[in-house]
Amino acid sequence: AQKITQTQPGMFVQEKEAVTLDCTYDTSDPSYGLFWYKQPSSGEMIFLIYQGSYDQQNATEGRYSLNFQKARKSANLVISASQLGDSAMYFCAMREIDQFYFGTGTSLTVIP
Amino acid sequence: GAVVSQHPSWVICKSGTSVKIECRSLDFQATTMFWYRQFPKQSLMLMATSNEGSKATYEQGVEKDKFLINHASLTLSTLTVTSAHPEDSSFYICSATGTGVDEKLFFGSGTQLSVL
Repeated sequence: AQKITQTQPGMFVQEKEAVTLDCTYDTSDPSYGLFWYKQPSSGEMIFLIYQGSYDQQNATEGRYSLNFQKARKSANLVISASQLGDSAMYFCAMREIDQFYFGTGTSLTVIP
Repeated sequence: GAVVSQHPSWVICKSGTSVKIECRSLDFQATTMFWYRQFPKQSLMLMATSNEGSKATYEQGVEKDKFLINHASLTLSTLTVTSAHPEDSSFYICSATGTGVDEKLFFGSGTQLSVL
């Protein structure tokens, strides 16, 4: 089974609107971390947000929030008030001890 | 935040030559470093995991004699592509992390390798 599943290869959003990027994960380890990274066309991987498996509240970082539903094993990224600069690939990742697993990514395009 | 420096960012070489890519963690001790390969519009493909002072663990299908990884210190790991061929052309990206499940991966800026 895939450790991380991102079912949306491509997404479009109107500028200033909110968008949700889906991510589900699979683990039997009680302790894990969930991450989202942004990769613009330049290729660098930019850390956006982190959620720990024991965290009670959803993580937020500025316009980014993580909708963590532990029972459903989902960790969706919500971007509010989309900007043109948000156009990029977005990767969901999970850490188990010393292993990181990445999803296949979602290409987000923000439309003016 | 922590910074991982990767050099060079872009390299062109002739077929048959070797290329070394450096990855340095600038302000933290990276107990583990990962090397990834990425094809256009695809996800990261893990090549190997290296821990300081020990041999790298390679993923299935990755030739350890072709992709030499050295993690000489807690701040430096190198990937050497030996006898490079055009099919080795790709984007290579390193990352580093400390211990702890809440510690994120810090990525280098990547190296675009083109083998002629």
